[in-house]
Amino acid sequence: DAKTTQPPSMDCAEGRAANLPCNHSTISGNEYVYWYRQIHSQGPQYIIHGLKNNETNEMASLIITEDRKSSTLILPHATLRDTAVYYCIVRVGGDKLIFGTGTRLQVFP
Amino acid sequence: GAVVSQHPSWVICKSGTSVKIECRSLDFQATTMFWYRQFPKQSLMLMATSNEGSKATYEQGVEKDKFLINHASLTLSTLTVTSAHPEDSSFYICSASLSAQGDTIYFGEGSWLTVV
Repeated sequence: DAKTTQPPSMDCAEGRAANLPCNHSTISGNEYVYWYRQIHSQGPQYIIHGLKNNETNEMASLIITEDRKSSTLILPHATLRDTAVYYCIVRVGGDKLIFGTGTRLQVFP
Repeated sequence: GAVVSQHPSWVICKSGTSVKIECRSLDFQATTMFWYRQFPKQSLMLMATSNEGSKATYEQGVEKDKFLINHASLTLSTLTVTSAHPEDSSFYICSASLSAQGDTIYFGEGSWLTVV
């Protein structure tokens, strides 16, 4: 079973920051949090991952709470092309990723 | 560019026939690859772990005799759907990584299978 829970859907205005929350209260100390997104009819696209420190790359920022029980993916300036399903995943040993239901982000003009 | 590639992107086959889908890691070796299946408007469901040089490990409820997995080299895993039926129509996706915790895991572009 997936170790994460996410809201099923969110809306965001184009140009604004999109903040996508994720709860992973049962995460263990050595388990990473990964974020992927999936645009219709394509394979999941890697966004970012982290262990306990906040991370930033050219796509997004990942904020992980100090107790590691939740995290937030931030898309600083959402565009229409960011409309997708976003998956927060806890990597449980090895390379196996168990997907939850994700958050469907709709960016509107 | 893609670091994990799947072929074909889409395939239509007749009921009762078998179809093979390939997953290749580009520019890196993957001792382990994973196969997922996704039905419309649903999340990805892990089917099996493909291990180079050994038998695949299947998730509960996945028929190993129906979904044959071969991982003959460090850059290629194949999924063969045997005796396909319309209910096997789905989006099949593979993933691979450099295999250390903390490494990025890459997914292929996916393969659409339609069984008629």
